[in-house]
Amino acid sequence: GNSVTQMEGPVTLSEEAFLTINCTYTATGYPSLFWYVQYPGEGLQLLLKATKADDKGSNKGFEATYRKETTSFHLEKGSVQVSDSAVYFCALRANAGGTSYGKLTFGQGTILTVHP
Amino acid sequence: GAGVSQSPRYKVAKRGQDVALRCDPISGHVSLFWYQQALGQGPEFLTYFQNEAQLDKSGLPSDRFFAERPEGSVSTLKIQRTQQEDSAVYLCASSLAGQPAGYTFGSGTRLTVV
Repeated sequence: GNSVTQMEGPVTLSEEAFLTINCTYTATGYPSLFWYVQYPGEGLQLLLKATKADDKGSNKGFEATYRKETTSFHLEKGSVQVSDSAVYFCALRANAGGTSYGKLTFGQGTILTVHP
Repeated sequence: GAGVSQSPRYKVAKRGQDVALRCDPISGHVSLFWYQQALGQGPEFLTYFQNEAQLDKSGLPSDRFFAERPEGSVSTLKIQRTQQEDSAVYLCASSLAGQPAGYTFGSGTRLTVV
């Protein structure tokens, strides 16, 4: 079946540090890949996405590149801010036929804390 | 409203009690999903509706879980005879056409079974 594995957390960084959160996946076919973010007390929000190999998703200074050869979709940001403190989820949607209709498989989440 | 509204935000139930969790999706959103998020884990799919039709309920963990969306708008997730392992945050998401890029998630209902 489909699965998503994220790096162990939590991750604690100082402001302006470089961020990497690793994500690898297992899926049949060619899934679409997503990063969601959950700020304290709020619902999950889509951060970025990529729908095919070598696509780069980007938003708010975050980037992730769909690497089919390594089945990875690592999240990066060059300079984190305190306001980036949140839980980050990697997710995939399988594109196997007409029954996928948007059902997502999530990783376990990575807690990011950024200190001033 | 502008977002997906879930109620209650918090629910404490005694083991064996029945509970009902409500989701008000964004008006006009055809697709509606329920996910279960255990502590420290990512959300796991429970069930999917397209309008009033429940097209996939493969993620419901047992026959104690039941979901409905009778008029294609508001949805209710019902859990009968709650057990401690049912303790989790239950998330609802809606979208125009079932595409994750268009999902809007609610803030969830945190269920604690004691």
